[in-house]
Amino acid sequence: GQQLNQSPQSMFIQEGEDVSMNCTSSSIFNTWLWYKQEPGEGPVLLIALYKAGELTSNGRLTAQFGITRKDSFLNISASIPSDVGIYFCAGQLWASNFGNEKLTFGTGTRLTIIP
Amino acid sequence: DAMVIQNPRYQVTQFGKPVTLSCSQTLNHNVMYWYQQKSSQAPKLLFHYYDKDFNNEADTPDNFQSRRPNTSFCFLDIRSPGLGDAAMYLCATSSVRASTDTQYFGPGTRLTVL
Repeated sequence: GQQLNQSPQSMFIQEGEDVSMNCTSSSIFNTWLWYKQEPGEGPVLLIALYKAGELTSNGRLTAQFGITRKDSFLNISASIPSDVGIYFCAGQLWASNFGNEKLTFGTGTRLTIIP
Repeated sequence: DAMVIQNPRYQVTQFGKPVTLSCSQTLNHNVMYWYQQKSSQAPKLLFHYYDKDFNNEADTPDNFQSRRPNTSFCFLDIRSPGLGDAAMYLCATSSVRASTDTQYFGPGTRLTVL
């Protein structure tokens, strides 16, 4: 199935550094979502974006919905050890007939914090 | 707390032996999804229920079936598990009553096939 282009694929950073990752698509979405997944667990929703240009923060996390509706970025400021995990972006296109709102996932960004 | 619950968290089965994974939700969401996720990959949608309407993805093998007896519960049946079916299976729910609703995932069931 279709996947979004997510970069970088992996990041190795030191505690306290800022992190930036992004997703791009060839088609538009009207919702962008960012999930974090820790080993052995399901994805946890971090931020949901519903409007083109929207900038939303959740604690140290900030995400933006691109103006073209084809991209989004996620920033994490002052990283801490518990930020370790895989971050997935996901695009959602709402149809007029509710019930078919599938998520298109990015390929994931694996974040590792070097002690 | 309202949540998506999956049981068991870890399931071991033998090659060819049927297995059932379960998902329940207290969110009263009308859509329930089953995903398969293999190591370091994004979740792959297998099928979803919109209320009682079953929607199968075109590339989901016939080996995978699902049942939704009521709003709260949904089951994934793997009729004859193969080694390639070893994966994390994720259940998710959404409300789809408003365009701001989105999908919430359970903790997953890790399936091992011996």
